[in-house]
Amino acid sequence: DAKTTQPPSMDCAEGRAANLPCNHSTISGNEYVYWYRQIHSQGPQYIIHGLKNNETNEMASLIITEDRKSSTLILPHATLRDTAVYYCIVRVNGMGNQFYFGTGTSLTVIP
Amino acid sequence: NAGVMQNPRHLVRRRGQEARLRCSPVKGHSHVYWYRQLPEEGLKFMVYLQKENIIDESGMPKERFSAEFPKEGPSILRIQQVVRGDSAAYFCASSDMGWSYNEQFFGPGTRLTVL
Repeated sequence: DAKTTQPPSMDCAEGRAANLPCNHSTISGNEYVYWYRQIHSQGPQYIIHGLKNNETNEMASLIITEDRKSSTLILPHATLRDTAVYYCIVRVNGMGNQFYFGTGTSLTVIP
Repeated sequence: NAGVMQNPRHLVRRRGQEARLRCSPVKGHSHVYWYRQLPEEGLKFMVYLQKENIIDESGMPKERFSAEFPKEGPSILRIQQVVRGDSAAYFCASSDMGWSYNEQFFGPGTRLTVL
């Protein structure tokens, strides 16, 4: 499976954009990039996923570089409720449907 | 629409007892996945089941752990003769299709404490 690298922690001021980076330099051409988050003690929550084009939904935007070796999750206006651990996951093709969660980035939104 | 339901939310067992964790997937979903999260760690895949079939159990410990997803009723993760190292949060997820690119919906988890 393609490994992902994320910074262990980040802070963001409330109301500002939170930009969470992820490196996935060994990603294969048919592997998607997924983002999930886990708010303390809760089950992971799906945020967004993409293959090579940038994606946007009501929660966030996903920017994937042209070479697909890295991506950035953008929360446009972070709120205190966005404080969570954010996981960047690359789906491994042909090995079932499990998601391989790393240790993620712990985002703290500061008032 | 009801999401993934797990019960119990908290379970306390003494060493040597059995733990049964239940997962009801999103209505209409036929694919269930179990993950374990040890304190201060990320989620680790355990097993992937479809109705009445185990598809991938590569993350399951070889002994004491078993899982099933019967034709009727919830999926069950069973841990026999629990030990303190089994203390963790166990999450269930479901999806409507078994393809590679589908979103998995996670339940709230069961927190198992072994005394």
